[in-house]
Amino acid sequence: EAQVTQNPRYLITVTGKKLTVTCSQNMNHEYMSWYRQDPGLGLRQIYYSMNVEVTDKGDVPEGYKVSRKEKRNFPLILESPSPNQTSLYFCASSLSNPGYSNQPQHFGDGTRLSIL
Amino acid sequence: KNQVEQSPQSLIILEGKNCTLQCNYTVSPFSNLRWYKQDTGRGPVSLTIMTFSENTKSNGRYTATLDADTKQSSLHITASQLSDSASYICVVSANFGNEKLTFGTGTRLTIIP
Repeated sequence: EAQVTQNPRYLITVTGKKLTVTCSQNMNHEYMSWYRQDPGLGLRQIYYSMNVEVTDKGDVPEGYKVSRKEKRNFPLILESPSPNQTSLYFCASSLSNPGYSNQPQHFGDGTRLSIL
Repeated sequence: KNQVEQSPQSLIILEGKNCTLQCNYTVSPFSNLRWYKQDTGRGPVSLTIMTFSENTKSNGRYTATLDADTKQSSLHITASQLSDSASYICVVSANFGNEKLTFGTGTRLTIIP
């Protein structure tokens, strides 16, 4: 089954404790992206990757890091989490850049992070 | 500033009725417009994708329309079912040479029996 898998689905942690949210897709997609979703705001892009070893900042990259060492994996790293990073996070993948292609984005089911 | 505005914010209708959700955007230059369905606790799922030259696209009981001149889109749901209860998100892409998707805040649709 084609899917995007995120782990963990839920995490409560404390300020400053490094954490990683994993994202894996099994569709051989080149393009992957991370978003955060907050109440009253649309999904906002954190980082994206056009292909292996190619990553770039989205609209809200501060406080986050990513890596793309393999095509299928695109982990999101919070080196020193802070309470304003409490949010619902989504990983997405698509065959190519959805900005100028008609390829649908496939989303994971989300990771709810609470930073105390 | 690129913006996508959706209306209404929330909507409650009886099972079996039709409804229409609206999306207005200021994104330019326009590349494509997408509608997603997001069930509670799940990620968004693509319903339709339309380019500049398309003015209507259907996916089962879902029909999206696009008027690129007025920068408006609508999503019409026919013969609603309880499973249609979800948030519906409009996403517009601006072609700057890399991805630039602007997401609306969604319409929360509730179908009651």
